[in-house]
Amino acid sequence: QKEVEQDPGPLSVPEGAIVSLNCTYSNSAFQYFMWYRQYSRKGPELLMYTYSSGNKEDGRFTAQVDKSSKYISLFIRDSQPSDSATYLCAMSAGGSTLGRLYFGRGTQLTVWP
Amino acid sequence: ETGVTQTPRHLVMGMTNKKSLKCEQHLGHNAMYWYKQSAKKPLELMFVYNFKEQTENNSVPSRFSPECPNSSHLFLHLHTLQPEDSALYLCASTETEINTEAFFGQGTRLTVV
Repeated sequence: QKEVEQDPGPLSVPEGAIVSLNCTYSNSAFQYFMWYRQYSRKGPELLMYTYSSGNKEDGRFTAQVDKSSKYISLFIRDSQPSDSATYLCAMSAGGSTLGRLYFGRGTQLTVWP
Repeated sequence: ETGVTQTPRHLVMGMTNKKSLKCEQHLGHNAMYWYKQSAKKPLELMFVYNFKEQTENNSVPSRFSPECPNSSHLFLHLHTLQPEDSALYLCASTETEINTEAFFGQGTRLTVV
Protein backbone atom coordinates (compact mmCIF):
# COMPACT_ATOMS: atom_id res chain seq x y z
CA GLN A 1 0.00 0.00 0.00
CA LYS A 2 1.45 3.34 -1.06
CA GLU A 3 1.56 5.79 1.82
CA VAL A 4 1.34 8.90 -0.33
CA GLU A 5 -0.48 9.08 -3.66
CA GLN A 6 0.16 11.82 -6.17
CA ASP A 7 -0.94 12.05 -9.79
CA PRO A 8 2.28 12.29 -11.83
CA GLY A 9 0.67 14.27 -14.63
CA PRO A 10 2.08 15.70 -16.80
CA LEU A 11 0.12 18.89 -16.33
CA SER A 12 0.39 21.62 -18.96
CA VAL A 13 -1.21 25.06 -18.46
CA PRO A 14 -0.96 28.50 -20.08
CA GLU A 15 0.79 31.35 -18.32
CA GLY A 16 -1.51 33.05 -15.83
CA ALA A 17 -3.57 29.95 -15.07
CA ILE A 18 -4.37 28.75 -11.58
CA VAL A 19 -2.74 25.39 -10.93
CA SER A 20 -4.02 22.86 -8.43
CA LEU A 21 -1.79 20.01 -7.28
CA ASN A 22 -2.97 17.33 -4.88
CA CYS A 23 -1.89 14.40 -2.76
CA THR A 24 -3.74 11.88 -0.67
CA TYR A 25 -2.28 9.76 2.08
CA SER A 26 -3.22 6.81 4.21
CA ASN A 27 -1.17 7.21 7.40
CA SER A 28 -3.18 9.18 9.96
CA ALA A 29 0.01 9.76 11.98
CA PHE A 30 1.26 12.31 9.44
CA GLN A 31 1.14 15.80 10.92
CA TYR A 32 3.70 17.75 8.93
CA PHE A 33 3.09 18.43 5.27
CA MET A 34 5.47 19.90 2.75
CA TRP A 35 5.68 20.74 -0.91
CA TYR A 36 9.01 20.54 -2.67
CA ARG A 37 9.82 21.83 -6.14
CA GLN A 38 12.35 20.01 -8.28
CA TYR A 39 13.72 21.56 -11.44
CA SER A 40 15.24 19.32 -14.07
CA ARG A 41 18.69 18.04 -13.09
CA LYS A 42 18.39 19.57 -9.62
CA GLY A 43 17.59 18.31 -6.15
CA PRO A 44 14.22 19.12 -4.53
CA GLU A 45 13.88 22.45 -2.71
CA LEU A 46 11.35 23.20 0.02
CA LEU A 47 8.52 25.40 -1.19
CA MET A 48 5.83 25.28 1.50
CA TYR A 49 5.52 23.77 4.97
CA THR A 50 2.32 23.25 6.95
CA TYR A 51 1.64 21.72 10.32
CA SER A 52 -1.66 19.90 10.83
CA SER A 53 -4.83 21.10 9.08
CA GLY A 54 -5.39 24.53 7.60
CA ASN A 55 -4.16 26.91 4.94
CA LYS A 56 -0.87 28.68 4.45
CA GLU A 57 -0.18 31.34 1.87
CA ASP A 58 3.15 32.56 0.53
CA GLY A 59 2.97 34.92 -2.39
CA ARG A 60 1.37 33.13 -5.33
CA PHE A 61 1.40 29.78 -3.50
CA THR A 62 -1.26 28.44 -1.12
CA ALA A 63 -0.99 25.12 0.69
CA GLN A 64 -4.07 23.45 2.14
CA VAL A 65 -4.28 20.46 4.44
CA ASP A 66 -7.46 18.55 5.26
CA LYS A 67 -6.48 15.86 7.75
CA SER A 68 -10.03 14.54 8.04
CA SER A 69 -9.95 13.65 4.35
CA LYS A 70 -6.20 12.87 4.30
CA TYR A 71 -5.85 15.28 1.39
CA ILE A 72 -3.42 18.10 0.74
CA SER A 73 -3.29 20.66 -2.05
CA LEU A 74 -0.97 23.26 -3.48
CA PHE A 75 -2.42 26.13 -5.49
CA ILE A 76 -0.31 28.32 -7.74
CA ARG A 77 -1.92 31.58 -8.82
CA ASP A 78 -0.85 33.53 -11.89
CA SER A 79 1.42 30.69 -12.96
CA GLN A 80 4.65 31.61 -14.74
CA PRO A 81 6.88 29.66 -17.13
CA SER A 82 9.48 29.67 -14.34
CA ASP A 83 7.07 27.53 -12.29
CA SER A 84 7.65 24.66 -14.73
CA ALA A 85 9.07 21.89 -12.57
CA THR A 86 8.11 18.71 -10.77
CA TYR A 87 6.21 19.30 -7.54
CA LEU A 88 6.60 16.73 -4.79
CA CYS A 89 4.40 16.45 -1.74
CA ALA A 90 6.07 15.12 1.40
CA MET A 91 4.86 14.23 4.87
CA SER A 92 6.20 13.35 8.27
CA ALA A 93 4.73 11.87 11.41
CA GLY A 94 6.76 14.12 13.66
CA GLY A 95 8.39 13.42 17.00
CA SER A 96 11.63 11.48 16.81
CA THR A 97 10.87 10.59 13.18
CA LEU A 98 10.25 14.17 12.07
CA GLY A 99 13.12 14.20 9.61
CA ARG A 100 11.92 11.07 7.85
CA LEU A 101 9.90 12.26 4.89
CA TYR A 102 7.47 10.23 2.83
CA PHE A 103 7.12 11.55 -0.69
CA GLY A 104 4.57 11.34 -3.46
CA ARG A 105 5.74 10.50 -6.98
CA GLY A 106 5.70 14.15 -8.01
CA THR A 107 3.58 16.01 -10.57
CA GLN A 108 5.36 17.36 -13.63
CA LEU A 109 4.08 20.86 -14.44
CA THR A 110 4.71 22.86 -17.61
CA VAL A 111 3.56 26.46 -17.86
CA TRP A 112 3.71 27.69 -21.45
CA PRO A 113 3.91 31.37 -22.42
CA GLU B 1 23.18 26.31 -4.28
CA THR B 2 21.61 24.68 -1.24
CA GLY B 3 24.82 24.07 0.70
CA VAL B 4 24.73 20.34 0.01
CA THR B 5 27.21 19.12 -2.57
CA GLN B 6 27.20 15.68 -4.13
CA THR B 7 29.89 14.08 -6.24
CA PRO B 8 30.04 12.72 -8.81
CA ARG B 9 27.02 14.12 -10.66
CA HIS B 10 26.94 11.16 -13.02
CA LEU B 11 28.29 7.63 -12.61
CA VAL B 12 28.21 4.61 -14.88
CA MET B 13 29.38 1.38 -13.33
CA GLY B 14 29.42 -2.30 -14.14
CA MET B 15 27.75 -4.83 -11.89
CA THR B 16 31.09 -6.05 -10.56
CA ASN B 17 32.52 -2.61 -9.81
CA LYS B 18 32.92 -0.88 -6.47
CA LYS B 19 32.30 2.84 -6.32
CA SER B 20 31.40 5.47 -3.75
CA LEU B 21 29.10 8.47 -3.74
CA LYS B 22 30.05 11.48 -1.67
CA CYS B 23 27.94 14.13 0.02
CA GLU B 24 29.15 17.18 1.89
CA GLN B 25 27.02 19.79 3.63
CA HIS B 26 28.16 23.26 4.63
CA LEU B 27 25.11 24.17 6.69
CA GLY B 28 26.22 23.06 10.13
CA HIS B 29 23.49 20.41 10.19
CA ASN B 30 23.70 17.26 12.24
CA ALA B 31 21.43 14.86 10.39
CA MET B 32 22.08 13.50 6.91
CA TYR B 33 20.03 11.26 4.67
CA TRP B 34 20.32 9.16 1.54
CA TYR B 35 17.26 8.99 -0.72
CA LYS B 36 16.77 7.03 -3.93
CA GLN B 37 14.69 8.55 -6.75
CA SER B 38 13.71 6.10 -9.47
CA ALA B 39 11.70 6.93 -12.55
CA LYS B 40 7.97 7.00 -11.87
CA LYS B 41 8.49 6.20 -8.17
CA PRO B 42 8.46 8.38 -5.05
CA LEU B 43 11.66 9.41 -3.35
CA GLU B 44 12.56 6.54 -1.09
CA LEU B 45 14.41 7.05 2.18
CA MET B 46 17.41 4.72 2.46
CA PHE B 47 19.49 5.75 5.48
CA VAL B 48 19.43 8.35 8.24
CA TYR B 49 22.40 9.53 10.29
CA ASN B 50 21.99 11.79 13.30
CA PHE B 51 25.17 13.13 14.91
CA LYS B 52 27.16 10.52 12.93
CA GLU B 53 25.07 7.62 14.27
CA GLN B 54 22.91 5.61 11.93
CA THR B 55 19.33 5.85 13.14
CA GLU B 56 17.54 4.28 10.22
CA ASN B 57 18.23 1.64 7.62
CA ASN B 58 15.10 1.32 5.54
CA SER B 59 15.58 -2.35 4.62
CA VAL B 60 18.25 -1.43 2.11
CA PRO B 61 20.20 -4.33 0.52
CA SER B 62 23.72 -4.79 1.84
CA ARG B 63 25.22 -3.93 -1.56
CA PHE B 64 24.63 -0.34 -0.41
CA SER B 65 26.88 0.56 2.51
CA PRO B 66 26.69 4.03 4.07
CA GLU B 67 29.42 5.76 6.01
CA CYS B 68 29.24 8.97 8.03
CA PRO B 69 32.68 9.92 9.35
CA ASN B 70 31.45 13.27 10.71
CA SER B 71 28.33 15.42 10.65
CA SER B 72 29.38 17.16 7.43
CA HIS B 73 30.17 14.16 5.26
CA LEU B 74 28.20 11.17 4.11
CA PHE B 75 29.24 8.42 1.75
CA LEU B 76 27.38 5.63 0.00
CA HIS B 77 29.62 2.73 -0.95
CA LEU B 78 28.33 0.62 -3.81
CA HIS B 79 29.33 -2.91 -4.80
CA THR B 80 27.88 -5.65 -7.00
CA LEU B 81 24.90 -3.52 -7.95
CA GLN B 82 22.07 -4.58 -10.23
CA PRO B 83 20.67 -2.71 -13.24
CA GLU B 84 17.50 -1.96 -11.24
CA ASP B 85 19.66 0.08 -8.84
CA SER B 86 20.05 2.68 -11.58
CA ALA B 87 18.47 5.86 -10.20
CA LEU B 88 19.13 9.37 -8.94
CA TYR B 89 20.66 9.18 -5.46
CA LEU B 90 19.96 12.25 -3.39
CA CYS B 91 21.63 13.35 -0.21
CA ALA B 92 19.82 15.65 2.20
CA SER B 93 20.53 17.27 5.54
CA THR B 94 18.45 18.74 8.34
CA GLU B 95 19.46 20.59 11.45
CA THR B 96 18.75 17.45 13.48
CA GLU B 97 16.60 14.42 12.78
CA ILE B 98 13.65 16.15 14.45
CA ASN B 99 13.56 18.91 11.85
CA THR B 100 11.61 18.67 8.63
CA GLU B 101 13.26 21.35 6.48
CA ALA B 102 15.50 19.18 4.39
CA PHE B 103 18.12 20.62 2.07
CA PHE B 104 18.93 18.40 -0.87
CA GLY B 105 21.98 18.08 -3.03
CA GLN B 106 21.68 17.88 -6.81
CA GLY B 107 22.03 14.13 -6.76
CA THR B 108 24.19 11.54 -8.43
CA ARG B 109 22.69 9.96 -11.53
CA LEU B 110 23.79 6.32 -11.32
CA THR B 111 23.58 3.91 -14.23
CA VAL B 112 24.44 0.25 -13.66
CA VAL B 113 25.31 -1.64 -16.81
